[in-house]
Parts: sequence; C-alpha cells; structure tokens
Amino acid sequence: AQKVTQAQTEISVVEKEDVTLDCVYETRDTTYYLFWYKQPPSGELVFLIRRNSFDEQNEISGRYSWNFQKSTSSFNFTITASQVVDSAVYFCALKPWAAGNKLTFGGGTRVLVKP
Amino acid sequence: GAVVSQHPSWVICKSGTSVKIECRSLDFQATTMFWYRQFPKQSLMLMATSNEGSKATYEQGVEKDKFLINHASLTLSTLTVTSAHPEDSSFYICSASRTGNSNQPQHFGDGTRLSIL
Repeated sequence: AQKVTQAQTEISVVEKEDVTLDCVYETRDTTYYLFWYKQPPSGELVFLIRRNSFDEQNEISGRYSWNFQKSTSSFNFTITASQVVDSAVYFCALKPWAAGNKLTFGGGTRVLVKP
Repeated sequence: GAVVSQHPSWVICKSGTSVKIECRSLDFQATTMFWYRQFPKQSLMLMATSNEGSKATYEQGVEKDKFLINHASLTLSTLTVTSAHPEDSSFYICSASRTGNSNQPQHFGDGTRLSIL
C-alpha cells in the first residue's frame, strides 16, 4: 500500500520569507513518480512538478525548488521569497509505476503568506 | 497545455435530486479519467477510475449505485450523484491524463461544489 504524509497541516509566513513543505512517502515499488500540486482558494488543482524515482536531481523553477531524497523517502518543496499569491494548499502525491495512474495524495499543507 | 473542463462549477439542489457533473478533456484524448471527492480542509480521496467504453472501477467503500460514472467518449466522463442527500455535499474534482502513457501527469478540472439542502 502507498502512503504520503505531509506532517505540516498549516504554515504561516510573512511575505518574502522562505517556506519549506515536507513530504514523506511509503511504497514498496522501486519505480514510482512523485508530484506536487497547488490548490488555491478557488479550488482548482495546479500541477507543479513530477519526479520519477530514478532521478534524484534537485530541481529549481523560479522561486520553487524541490529536494528529493530517496534515502529518506522525502520530496520536500521550498518556496523562496514567498508572495501573497503563494497562499494555497499544497499537496504531495505518489504514483507507483504499475498503479494505472492512480495517485495517492498526502493530507495537504495550507500555506498562508501574510503581507 | 492540457486543459480539463468541469461543469457545473457550483450546484445547489434539494435532497433527493440527482446531479450530473461533466468532465471534459478539451485538447487531448483521455482513455482514463479519475473522480475525486474532497471534504473541507481534507485531502482528495479517489472515488473511481473512469475507463472509456467500459465500466468504471470504484474504490473500496464507494457506492456504485450512488455515484454513476459514464465515460462514453475519449473526451468526456460524467459523474451522476443519484438521489443526493446532505451528506453527499462535497467538492468533486475530476482529472485526466493523455491516452497512451499512463505515467503522464494528471490534469485536473476546476472542481464542482455540490451543496444538497
């Protein structure tokens, strides 16, 4: 069975601060994909990144960066110099290769960026 | 990019009414679509996997007769909440990924807020 844990339920920061969201996963599969999605107050889910289990390179996209540590089964997400528009719920998700594209979501972390 | 349209975005109706929600992939074909349910301040829970031209696969605990899914074409899946009751009030979200590669990222619709009075 797969499991994704986002231990932080809510994080509040002041604009321009950095914020790191933790994601720890469990799976018996050796090949899998990890995702991050953003859900703003309007409700839609926005795809941010997909990472496969064989690629442990960290990635940076603008103010977003991701740290994949296979040894600790973690896929953490950092927002640098946060902005009010970053306020949203962020979900980490896992999909084993053989899961038929079924995603297992973490509980989500609500980020509140105050001006 | 891949666009998934969901309609309606908001429904308020009386208890006992059946409600149909549509999920369309606008610029790609999707053999498989997924239906999720999200209660306030909770995560997304997969309800069922919708397969074009065949029966949907429901997750454990989801009532097939309550949540009817039809996936009649490569671009449209519908979820019908039959005889809806207040406990069915929730946020329903669909997703789809491109046909031909099950490891493509899923693209989500904007969701449907269902309120049963």
